[in-house]
Parts: sequence; structure tokens; C-alpha cells
Amino acid sequence: DADVTQTPRNRITKTGKRIMLECSQTKGHDRMYWYRQDPGLGLRLIYYSFDVKDINKGEISDGYSVSRQAQAKFSLSLESAIPNQTALYFCATSDLRSGHYEQYFGPGTRLTVT
Amino acid sequence: AQSVTQLDSQVPVFEEAPVELRCNYSSSVSVYLFWYVQYPNQGLQLLLKYLSGSTLVKGINGFEAEFNKSQTSFHLRKPSVHISDTAEYFCAVRGSSASKIIFGSGTRLSIRP
Repeated sequence: DADVTQTPRNRITKTGKRIMLECSQTKGHDRMYWYRQDPGLGLRLIYYSFDVKDINKGEISDGYSVSRQAQAKFSLSLESAIPNQTALYFCATSDLRSGHYEQYFGPGTRLTVT
Repeated sequence: AQSVTQLDSQVPVFEEAPVELRCNYSSSVSVYLFWYVQYPNQGLQLLLKYLSGSTLVKGINGFEAEFNKSQTSFHLRKPSVHISDTAEYFCAVRGSSASKIIFGSGTRLSIRP
């Protein structure tokens, strides 16, 4: 079984709709991250969380919000989706005990906003 | 702040030929450096990392990278590639006291038979 799972894997939605992407991990890691990937731009950090009570904005947080419901769950919401939010979204985790040197990625969610 | 530049967006190479994927970084502090690989329709996975010590780092699947502080580079190499190496490769940097990893824009490696 995968250690970092994302649901849904694919989603098509319309402009203006609210959508939530979910991430769960069984690794027991304390830190979780949300990235978006666009062709030619690599991965850009949207939000990250050090623990349930610690949420931080990344470089492109506008238009997004997050919720850390538990140590193992970190959700990303688009309150009112727009077409330029069409992208591949990745959740990742890292572990304090290993110094957070490595991040472990989920399989991604491909989101299309029409 | 740190930044990372991957000089080639695409690298085509013949099977069993050597390959080098280039990565340069900038930082005013000590850094940790990483190469991640993304196979088609999958998430990223760590290929190798440089934290300290020997500047030549060996990773999975026969890849290696060399940290060159004077040239601020961390190029990835493999002496003989296989079709299964077809993927996108991301260089990443993290400042030694930073909490975030900064990713490059990626290099798509395509292997020709």
C-alpha cells in the first residue's frame, strides 16, 4: 500500500466551483506539503504544515486554503476554481527524525478547471 | 534565499550512451542538494542527496552527482542509460537552516533505442 495517498487522482470541474483535494499518509511524518506542477515551471509550494496547529503559506498560496485535520491528513481547497488553477497537484511529507532532508510524494491529482 | 536552475528542459540521448543533466544553484548559506525523478504518471522520488562530506554522491539506478561548491553546481550523470530511465528529473536545493525545498523547472530525459 502507498504511504502517501491522494484523492481524487483526476478531477474536472467548472469555473467558480469549490473543490477539495485530500492527502493522507501512513508514514507518521509530522510535516506535510502541497505543491502544484506546471510544465516548464517545476514544482511550486502552495502551503506547508509543521503539525496540526502550524500552517504556513508557500510561494503561491493565493486562491487556495488548507486544513490539517490530523497529523495524517492535509487537505487543499480551491474556494472558487479558475482555469489557471489547472495543474498537477502533489502532496508530500517529511520527517523531523530524519532532519526533513527528504520529501515523500503522493501520486498526484490532475485537476482541470473548464 | 536559494534558487536552482536546470539548464536543459529536454535531453534526448541514445540508449547505452552517457548522460549529464545540469543543475546550478545560488545561495548565501550552506545548502543541501537533491535530485528527484518523476516517472510518467507518478509522483517524485528521491534519486540522491548531498548533505555533507564526499562531493561525489551515488544514488539509485546507477546515477551519481558531484557537488562543486566553487561552480555552485550539482550535475547528475549516468555512464549508460536505459529505456527505463525515461523520466523527468528535478534538481532541488534547501538552505541548511531553511525549512523548504526549492525545486528546479525539471529536465525531461528521453531515451532513443
